[in-house]
Amino acid sequence: IAGITQAPTSQILAAGRRMTLRCTQDMRHNAMYWYRQDLGLGLRLIHYSNTAGTTGKGEVPDGYSVSRANTDDFPLTLASAVPSQTSVYFCASSDLPRGAADTQYFGPGTRLTVL
Amino acid sequence: QKEVEQDPGPLSVPEGAIVSLNCTYSNSAFQYFMWYRQYSRKGPELLMYTYSSGNKEDGRFTAQVDKSSKYISLFIRDSQPSDSATYLCAMWGGGTSYGKLTFGQGTILTVHP
Repeated sequence: IAGITQAPTSQILAAGRRMTLRCTQDMRHNAMYWYRQDLGLGLRLIHYSNTAGTTGKGEVPDGYSVSRANTDDFPLTLASAVPSQTSVYFCASSDLPRGAADTQYFGPGTRLTVL
Repeated sequence: QKEVEQDPGPLSVPEGAIVSLNCTYSNSAFQYFMWYRQYSRKGPELLMYTYSSGNKEDGRFTAQVDKSSKYISLFIRDSQPSDSATYLCAMWGGGTSYGKLTFGQGTILTVHP
């Protein structure tokens, strides 16, 4: 396979539960990202990692944590899910640094519903 | 006010029409301007990007950037039903802001036969 895989495809979760969304890429890209997509708000960056071993906060990091133990994997964890975290979550990767535009490649997404 | 504003539509056009999709932005540091296309229940995919002001053409698609007006456009000529998707503009300042794309809300486009 080539590209980004995400798991699970969809999930219904009770509020207060812990959940980890998985993301794996096989393109050996340096950088990886987590976005959430909500109607009317577009894509918003949650966390990012420019290289294995480093992470950074995006626009909406509260309630989420990430780790980047190796190049290929970038899991997103919701420590205690709340209904406002109901969204579609996309993982993306890109090859940094580049002199041209930062082309990000997206996974198929995880649809998460928190009840 | 959001840094990037995009009319969410929805926009419905007949096959063969010329489609114009637009975004405005407020951050003058943006230098790279991109358009992503997202089919239903799929992840976004990069369609085109331009650097600074000017035009770029790729087949039926033309991207325009007017930095003086902080306005970007994507034109689709001879639109096809297969163009039906959500189109997202995205912007990046370059330099130390690697990877931090700022997206518009997305415009839902339907091209009907």
